[in-house]
Amino acid sequence: DAKTTQPPSMDCAEGRAANLPCNHSTISGNEYVYWYRQIHSQGPQYIIHGLKNNETNEMASLIITEDRKSSTLILPHATLRDTAVYYCIVRLNFGNEKLTFGTGTRLTIIP
Amino acid sequence: NAGVMQNPRHLVRRRGQEARLRCSPMKGHSHVYWYRQLPEEGLKFMVYLQKENIIDESGMPKERFSAEFPKEGPSILRIQQVVRGDSAAYFCASSSLGSGNTIYFGEGSWLTVV
Repeated sequence: DAKTTQPPSMDCAEGRAANLPCNHSTISGNEYVYWYRQIHSQGPQYIIHGLKNNETNEMASLIITEDRKSSTLILPHATLRDTAVYYCIVRLNFGNEKLTFGTGTRLTIIP
Repeated sequence: NAGVMQNPRHLVRRRGQEARLRCSPMKGHSHVYWYRQLPEEGLKFMVYLQKENIIDESGMPKERFSAEFPKEGPSILRIQQVVRGDSAAYFCASSSLGSGNTIYFGEGSWLTVV
């Protein structure tokens, strides 16, 4: 079972920042937070991951609360191509544990 | 998604036939994962393999499905005697050896059983 809770859907205006929340209140100290997205009819795409510090890459920023019980994925300037289902996943940071997908958040970017 | 290669991208099989889906992991990756996505449903884990070993097959149906990742060549997901309920997208993913390494996905193989 997925260990995360996400809103089922969100809308965001094109050009604005999209902020996608995720609750993972039972996360353990050796679990990372991963974000993937799946654009319609494509394979899941890795976005970003973090343990406890905020992370930023060319795609997005990840803000993890100090108690690590929740996080927010930020797409700074959303475009229509960011319309997708976004998955927040917790995963052990040792071994090669599989990813367990929940139902994610369906993000729709509005022109 | 660059690097994980799946073929065929689309496959049509009649009921009772066999389906073989291939996955070449990213260069340097020795771990392969297979997932299935039924129409309008989520991604479900099927099996995790390393070279010549099945590590976790907890998501594989008990019958008709098998997977291998030989020492040489791609990983193969084999479905025998396909039924209409096998129609789905099958995604392969790979990661390198080491703790917590990121998993990258291919573009999927779409199986249609007629």
